Amino acid sequence: DGGITQSPKYLFRKEGQNVTLSCEQNLNHDAMYWYRQDPGQGLRLIYYSQIVNDFQKGDIAEGYSVSREKKESFPLTVTSAQKNPTAFYLCASSWRQTGELFFGEGSRLTVL
Amino acid sequence: GESVGLHLPTLSVQEGDNSIINCAYSNSASDYFIWYKQESGKGPQFIIDIRSNMDKRQGQRVTVLLNKTVKHLSLQIAATQPGDSAVYFCAETLSGGSYIPTFGRGTSLIVHP
Repeated sequence: DGGITQSPKYLFRKEGQNVTLSCEQNLNHDAMYWYRQDPGQGLRLIYYSQIVNDFQKGDIAEGYSVSREKKESFPLTVTSAQKNPTAFYLCASSWRQTGELFFGEGSRLTVL
Repeated sequence: GESVGLHLPTLSVQEGDNSIINCAYSNSASDYFIWYKQESGKGPQFIIDIRSNMDKRQGQRVTVLLNKTVKHLSLQIAATQPGDSAVYFCAETLSGGSYIPTFGRGTSLIVHP
């Protein structure tokens, strides 16, 4: 079945460590996105990519990095520079010509 | 940014009632709006959308109303069921090749049996 897959679902990290969250889609979508969600909050855009080998910063890109080497994959690295990384991270994809986003199930990162 | 906002963070209803979730948007140039439903611990799922050339669109048990004059969007759920309990987000986007939706804070809908 077509869909978007995030892994891991739960992740624990010690302060000072970088972690990478995986996001893979087999929907043949051009665009992919990473959002951060904090309790009681909406979705804040971290990074997005509308085409392979190109990506743009969103509203809260500091402390994060991404790559888009393949159309299907858009991994997010949470670096040690991110001051408050504990959150629920959502990856999404879409056709470039529509605004509907298809979301993964999310990855919950907890910094110990 | 919080260019899209919601009036009520929590809405409690009885099973069988109709629910109305409101959303205000700030960008008058936005021309495409989407409602998403997010169940606990999951990613948001598309419910219904509407373009700015329409003022009403109906789906199965859901209706979205758009008032461009006051930049207001609402989601109506008929005969609300316990399975409708979730957080609902509205999102606004701009046409023309750049579709980066802006989400509001969300409204938590609680349906009591």
